[in-house]
Amino acid sequence: GQQVMQIPQYQHVQEGEDFTTYCNSSTTLSNIQWYKQRPGGHPVFLIQLVKSGEVKKQKRLTFQFGEAKKNSSLHITATQTTDVGTYFCADSNQAGTALIFGKGTTLSVSS
Amino acid sequence: SAVISQKPSRDICQRGTSLTIQCQVDSQVTMMFWYRQQPGQSLTLIATANQGSEATYESGFVIDKFPISRPNLTFSTLTVSNMSPEDSSIYLCSVVPSSSYEQYFGPGTRLTVT
Repeated sequence: GQQVMQIPQYQHVQEGEDFTTYCNSSTTLSNIQWYKQRPGGHPVFLIQLVKSGEVKKQKRLTFQFGEAKKNSSLHITATQTTDVGTYFCADSNQAGTALIFGKGTTLSVSS
Repeated sequence: SAVISQKPSRDICQRGTSLTIQCQVDSQVTMMFWYRQQPGQSLTLIATANQGSEATYESGFVIDKFPISRPNLTFSTLTVSNMSPEDSSIYLCSVVPSSSYEQYFGPGTRLTVT
């Protein structure tokens, strides 16, 4: 596993605006997972992407895995105050067991 | 799924002392891990807790500083030894149930070293 880079580090939006966070790797990823951590909480699993070019949707959240499996994105349509938190992408460690987390993107939403 | 509890939830400790954090899972799991999360930062993997054998530590973490026990498939402890203020952090255990690939995290232990 290798460190995945996440951008932006922080994003503030008005409620109703869209939000996107990006995760990039210099090497090919076997898969990528996304987690959300609410303020004061612990990370909660959102999704795993495995296939090249894969797109998955969960209500207002859209997850994409790049064709080369070197990048991924999470897009939230029409943000709500409940979307506030830090979104992490995560790659497997060298043993392929545990996760290595990106630095995360912290989203704040004002109403 | 898995439900994880950790004890203590928080503690304030004097430098030079040690603290043992407990992690209890409601079902048997093979894969159990310990992470550290400093305020406003990402999660850093400390080690994989292996049942019946020594833990596997990530680069930058050593057994003398962070001894780990894993006596069975539902329980593990992490000790933070000879603490310094730099050890102030949230320590989280996590598991991957056998039939799953998603990690479940405990609520964390917030440690402050003065």
